[in-house]
Amino acid sequence: AQSVTQPDIHITVSEGASLELRCNYSYGATPYLFWYVQSPGQGLQLLLKYFSGDTLVQGIKGFEAEFKRSQSSFNLRKPSVHWSDAAEYFCAVGPYSGGGADGLTFGKGTHLIIQP
Amino acid sequence: GAVVSQHPSWVICKSGTSVKIECRSLDFQATTMFWYRQFPKQSLMLMATSNEGSKATYEQGVEKDKFLINHASLTLSTLTVTSAHPEDSSFYICSARSPGINQPQHFGDGTRLSIL
Repeated sequence: AQSVTQPDIHITVSEGASLELRCNYSYGATPYLFWYVQSPGQGLQLLLKYFSGDTLVQGIKGFEAEFKRSQSSFNLRKPSVHWSDAAEYFCAVGPYSGGGADGLTFGKGTHLIIQP
Repeated sequence: GAVVSQHPSWVICKSGTSVKIECRSLDFQATTMFWYRQFPKQSLMLMATSNEGSKATYEQGVEKDKFLINHASLTLSTLTVTSAHPEDSSFYICSARSPGINQPQHFGDGTRLSIL
């Protein structure tokens, strides 16, 4: 069965500092990988996705993630965080099915706190 | 593009009543939609996959008679929580996959359901 591990429940970063959120996955085939962000009481916004090709993917809001097959990881990075980045971040993996990923398996999330 | 709208955003009702939640893809057609449930401060759990014109596929442990899913058109899926009880209180989020190759899921803003 597929699974996603986000080892950090909370992370606190100073505004302007760099950020890395960790994600490890377990999946039997080539996974579709995603990072979503959720503000309190809101739905999820897609930050970026990896299906194939270049293992370094660029997303919205200055985020990027690197797929490392050997480490089963898909860590999210941002060189300089802004106070508006404070939110819950979810890593997800999905099986390929025709046009794209089907039902996703999510990690437990990482709560990002930004210090002024 | 790729906007998913969910309605209502918040509902409070008495125990024993049924509640219907709508999920619409506003600017694209979605043959497949997904329903997730999220408990406070926890991750999203896939409940079911909604297929236009056919029966939904439920995840293990999800009661299909409790959570009725109807996907009558290419832009609308509904989730009805029948005879709701306090333990059904949760945040329900739908998603839809936009058409084409290697497309991600786009999420609605969620529905907070509170059963008194």
